[in-house]
Amino acid sequence: GQNIDQPTEMTATEGAIVQINCTYQTSGFNGLFWYQQHAGEAPTFLSYNVLDGLEEKGRFSSFLSRSKGYSYLLLKELQMKDSASYLCAVRDSNYQLIWGAGTKLIIKP
Amino acid sequence: EPEVTQTPSHQVTQMGQEVILRCVPISNHLYFYWYRQILGQKVEFLVSFYNNEISEKSEIFDDQFSVERPDGSNFTLKIRSTKLEDSAMYFCASGRDRGGETQYFGPGTRLLVL
Repeated sequence: GQNIDQPTEMTATEGAIVQINCTYQTSGFNGLFWYQQHAGEAPTFLSYNVLDGLEEKGRFSSFLSRSKGYSYLLLKELQMKDSASYLCAVRDSNYQLIWGAGTKLIIKP
Repeated sequence: EPEVTQTPSHQVTQMGQEVILRCVPISNHLYFYWYRQILGQKVEFLVSFYNNEISEKSEIFDDQFSVERPDGSNFTLKIRSTKLEDSAMYFCASGRDRGGETQYFGPGTRLLVL
């Protein structure tokens, strides 16, 4: 079966750095995505990795290791507005997006 | 900036009734998707649509579901006979190409089946 695992919840302090991990087992791989989702809203795109390595985009970075089936999202200089769920999703061999359950990130002042 | 739009934002219906959820994808996009998210659960893929036909569908997308692109702009999801367990947020998304960097999501329709 296909499986994407990420922690259910994490807590961090405003101004700090947090790393959200994601491991996956899917039938094929055509890219890994990170989305942010605020409660009651649609997912919004954060990052995309298809090759191994680090992709940096402002305060957000995402890393991929295909051989390990592993990715992480790194958020720097945390702001209160970063409180949200962070969804890891993998595009499989059928080009379907398989989603993790999301990591709820709580930012404390 | 172009965006995906969905109507209605909320829909309440009785069990057994038919509902149609509407989406207007971004105009130059060719790939369209429907996802659902039951409250507190993960996003689930329903169906993808390209060139006026279904390209992929999940196990959830059974005979009670259908999709249509009735004109050049709208993309609809029909649920023929709604069940209580169909209550969820339904998201439409569109993308330029199949292997593209991202899919752009609409704001969603919250469906409540009573």
